Amino acid sequence: GQNIDQPTEMTATEGAIVQINCTYQTSGFNGLFWYQQHAGEAPTFLSYNVLDGLEEKGRFSSFLSRSKGYSYLLLKELQMKDSASYLCAVMDSNYQLIWGAGTKLIIKP
Amino acid sequence: DAMVIQNPRYQVTQFGKPVTLSCSQTLNHNVMYWYQQKSSQAPKLLFHYYDKDFNNEADTPDNFQSRRPNTSFCFLDIRSPGLGDAAMYLCATSRESSGANVLTFGAGSRLTVL
Repeated sequence: GQNIDQPTEMTATEGAIVQINCTYQTSGFNGLFWYQQHAGEAPTFLSYNVLDGLEEKGRFSSFLSRSKGYSYLLLKELQMKDSASYLCAVMDSNYQLIWGAGTKLIIKP
Repeated sequence: DAMVIQNPRYQVTQFGKPVTLSCSQTLNHNVMYWYQQKSSQAPKLLFHYYDKDFNNEADTPDNFQSRRPNTSFCFLDIRSPGLGDAAMYLCATSRESSGANVLTFGAGSRLTVL
């Protein structure tokens, strides 16, 4: 079966750095996405990785290792507004999106 | 400025009373999706359309139906809602169905079943 694993919940301090991991086992691979979802709202796109390595976008970076079936989302200089769930999703060989259940990130002052 | 609009944002219905949720988009995207998302769970794909081609996920219950009368609009009909159908229903669009397939989501319709 296809599977995406992420930690259920993480806590970090305002101004700090946090890394949210995602491991996947899918039928093929056509890219990995990270979405941010605030409570009660729709997911919004953060990043897309299809090749190995680090993609940096402001305070957020996303890393991919296809050989390890692994990605992480790195959030720097955390702000209270970063409190949200972070969803990892992988596109498989049939171009179907397989979603993780999300990691709820709690930011403390 | 809103690009994917869902109505209503909140819907309360009684057990077994049909419900229709609507979605419209101003992006002229080819693909439209309906997802069901329960608290702290991954979004679950119910249907998607590539233009007018309808794709039903194998495990989507018959209780759920969908219509896409034109490029801009898509509807989700729940014929006889049960307590287990209480969830957030998310509409999303994308330009294509492959490649860097970024989804744009609407704000969601939260369904409560009494």
